[in-house]
Amino acid sequence: AQSVTQLGSHVSVSEGALVLLRCNYSSSVPPYLFWYVQYPNQGLQLLLKYTSAATLVKGINGFEAEFKKSETSFHLTKPSAHMSDAAEYFCAVRGNSGYALNFGKGTSLLVTP
Amino acid sequence: EAQVTQNPRYLITVTGKKLTVTCSQNMNHEYMSWYRQDPGLGLRQIYYSMNVEVTDKGDVPEGYKVSRKEKRNFPLILESPSPNQTSLYFCASSFERGGPYNEQFFGPGTRLTVL
Repeated sequence: AQSVTQLGSHVSVSEGALVLLRCNYSSSVPPYLFWYVQYPNQGLQLLLKYTSAATLVKGINGFEAEFKKSETSFHLTKPSAHMSDAAEYFCAVRGNSGYALNFGKGTSLLVTP
Repeated sequence: EAQVTQNPRYLITVTGKKLTVTCSQNMNHEYMSWYRQDPGLGLRQIYYSMNVEVTDKGDVPEGYKVSRKEKRNFPLILESPSPNQTSLYFCASSFERGGPYNEQFFGPGTRLTVL
């Protein structure tokens, strides 16, 4: 079964600093990987997804993630944090033949002035 | 506007009183799913449906029922709610024919409290 592990339940960065949210996956088949964001009191919104077309994936709001098979990682980055980036971020994986989307436990991003 | 809607958004109930949370999507998606979100546990899948009259269990199906009589609707039924079902519930849908890399669209959530 496919699974993801998000390292760090809380991450705090200063406004303007680099954002790095870590996600490692486990999958016996080529994975499809996703990052979702949840703003306070809202549902989840797709940030970006990896579908094997390119290892560096660009998403909305300036976020990007790089798929590294050798490290089984799919870390999310943004060069310069904005206050509006404060939210909960979820990494998720889906197998080629499975229908379930398996989520990590989430990382809460705090952006300080 | 393409969307997934859930009702009610907030619900406080008592143990044992049957309730239904509705979910509807207007995107003609085949796949629909229910998740529950609990602090420190992320989102866990309860049930999913690949199409009308086709449903299957997710990771945490105990205490829940679902039905898929129409493509657009996927209600979640708690026959006898218990306090451990207090949670934030999300419905999601996606277009399946393109493959499993398709985005799942989420509803706004239903916050359920069982006393």
